[in-house]
Amino acid sequence: GAVVSQHPSWVICKSGTSVKIECRSLDFQATTMFWYRQFPKQSLMLMATSNEGSKATYEQGVEKDKFLINHASLTLSTLTVTSAHPEDSSFYICSGVGGSTTNEKLFFGSGTQLSVL
Amino acid sequence: KQEVTQIPAALSVPEGENLVLNCSFTDSAIYNLQWFRQDPGKGLTSLLLIQSSQREQTSGRLNASLDKSSGRSTLYIAASQPGDSATYLCAGANNAGNMLTFGGGTRLMVKP
Repeated sequence: GAVVSQHPSWVICKSGTSVKIECRSLDFQATTMFWYRQFPKQSLMLMATSNEGSKATYEQGVEKDKFLINHASLTLSTLTVTSAHPEDSSFYICSGVGGSTTNEKLFFGSGTQLSVL
Repeated sequence: KQEVTQIPAALSVPEGENLVLNCSFTDSAIYNLQWFRQDPGKGLTSLLLIQSSQREQTSGRLNASLDKSSGRSTLYIAASQPGDSATYLCAGANNAGNMLTFGGGTRLMVKP
C-alpha cells in the first residue's frame, strides 16, 4: 500500500534554531500534502495545505513566515519550523493525497515529535 | 464550518466487551468520514472510511456507521482486546479535497 515516510521521528533542538521535517510519498505522487500539529492531549489541528508547485495555504493563526512549507515535487514536502521556541514543541504529522481520481485516500506519515528547549 | 465532537473523551472497559465510540458533526453536507487509530507518540492509522452515500463500513471486529441526517457516526468494536487500547479519532471531510476536521478523540483502554 501507499506509504508516507516522515523524518525525523523526533527531534530536540535549542530555542532559536530551525528544524526541517520531511515527508516523502513512496510509490505514489502526492499532489496535495496536509500538515497537522497536535499538542498533548489535544486533537490534530490542520496547519496548512500545500499543492505541488504552488504556495501553501495556511490556516488562521498559523504564521507562514515561521512555518515554511515547500512542496517542490510530487513526492516530497517539507515543513521548516524557523526560530523554534518552546511553545512550538508539538507533534507534527503530514498526510498526502494519493490514489485514483475516483478513490482518493489520505496517507499519513508517522509523525515528528519536536521538543524545543 | 464543520465541527466534530467525540464522546466519551476516555473509556475504560474489560477485555471482551463490545463497545461503541460516538462522533457527531455539525454540517450534514459531509463528503466522507474516517475513523483513525493513534497510538501514543505515533502517527495515524486509518481504520475505516465511509463515503457520504454509504451507511456503514466493516473491517474485522470494527464497524462504522454514518447517519448524515442526525450528524452522527459510531465506531463499534466487538470483543475488545488489550491491543485495541489507543486513541480513536474521527474526522470529516467536506469536499473532495480531503481536508479533514478532527474530533477530539476517545482514549480507549481495554483491561486484560
